[in-house]
Amino acid sequence: DQQVKQNSPSLSVQEGRISILNCDYTNSMFDYFLWYKKYPAEGPTFLISISSIKDKNEDGRFTVFLNKSAKHLSLHIVPSQPGDSAVYFCAASSRGSNYKLTFGKGTLLTVNP
Amino acid sequence: DVKVTQSSRYLVKRTGEKVFLECVQDMDHENMFWYRQDPGLGLRLIYFSYDVKMKEKGDIPEGYSVSREKKERFSLILESASTNQTSMYLCASLEQGHGYTFGSGTRLTVV
Repeated sequence: DQQVKQNSPSLSVQEGRISILNCDYTNSMFDYFLWYKKYPAEGPTFLISISSIKDKNEDGRFTVFLNKSAKHLSLHIVPSQPGDSAVYFCAASSRGSNYKLTFGKGTLLTVNP
Repeated sequence: DVKVTQSSRYLVKRTGEKVFLECVQDMDHENMFWYRQDPGLGLRLIYFSYDVKMKEKGDIPEGYSVSREKKERFSLILESASTNQTSMYLCASLEQGHGYTFGSGTRLTVV
């Protein structure tokens, strides 16, 4: 069973607009959430994270929102740029799991000029 | 910056061969991980290690083993490669509080 779900395999937005990538989780023990970005033929790179004690974390153009009651998080990218085109993975971990991350299947974001 | 180096970017192996995928990190991290990435399936954890000679199975360990003889090196072994092990293999090292640092990946094709 999938504990971290990214239900949109792809998303297309115009340059300058907002990109919103969504992620749902089922395991209530998860207490730390991360977003990774991956270009083809490269390893994923860390983008932004959020602890379960917060509901928002911001880093430049990237903001992650966490809704614990809904077991939902989202990544907002504002403004979107063509260089943001990549696959975005949502990931989660729980205390005591030896920092093991569970990943979603990813969402391919395409930002059109 | 942490560097995680995977020894090969591309590998082609024959069915039944024993395959070694090597991963080295340069920051004395205790936790290292092997994932495989397949289209539509995301990243799935094969094995991980939280110290030298310590290892734990991930979600899909069947057909794989690992070795961690030194802290900086974590090897993934395919005992007898099969075509369903054709995949992108990603090694990661953990810096606590900063998440994983991934290597560039090894694209393995088993023919």
